[in-house]
Amino acid sequence: NAGVTQTPKFRVLKTGQSMTLLCAQDMNHEYMYWYRQDPGMGLRLIHYSVGEGTTAKGEVPDGYNVSRLKKQNFLLGLESAAPSQTSVYFCASSYLGLSVLGTGELFFGEGSRLTVL
Amino acid sequence: AQSVTQLDSHVSVSEGTPVLLRCNYSSSYSPSLFWYVQHPNKGLQLLLKYTSAATLVKGINGFEAEFKKSETSFHLTKPSAHMSDAAEYFCVVSDLSGTYKYIFGTGTRLKVLA
Repeated sequence: NAGVTQTPKFRVLKTGQSMTLLCAQDMNHEYMYWYRQDPGMGLRLIHYSVGEGTTAKGEVPDGYNVSRLKKQNFLLGLESAAPSQTSVYFCASSYLGLSVLGTGELFFGEGSRLTVL
Repeated sequence: AQSVTQLDSHVSVSEGTPVLLRCNYSSSYSPSLFWYVQHPNKGLQLLLKYTSAATLVKGINGFEAEFKKSETSFHLTKPSAHMSDAAEYFCVVSDLSGTYKYIFGTGTRLKVLA
């Protein structure tokens, strides 16, 4: 069982270049999330999706776009990369976004390390 | 609005001594609370979760946490630290307010001394 898979794992970009990070999950989860992790700041939510064809902004959405055309995939795009977007990006998914049983846990990918020069 | 505060950014313990990582939360609704561990250059792994069942939650690798509503706390403990416990730990809150969001604390880096 692969769980959550992120590609690529490493990438170096020049300022102004564009790229797409792909997240794929094979657990049939409805909810998917993109976070960025920076030293001393924990994980901050960029965008999330509560189902196929839906996306919503998190706390740090500027400079990023996302798409959820298929339930199993959640793409994060950088249209014009900036040095401030140098970070480690994590994708996560969950099976219970909202339930009387409480919220299900997040399942994480291994991360994608992006450097923008 | 929901929030999480991890009271210590760094904790050092000697191998074989108890571990205490502190977490306080704020939530307008009944929260779900989680502890995750991240080893260097790795993804995040779930240690344990609280979702309104038993207030004392047992997790993997001997960790446990107690949900204390009156103190809005969810501290992580382990009776005896092992060298392999050295990692970063994140406390996470989500609630039933319908936002579908998980809010992360800023993390506590645990160092285990031989």
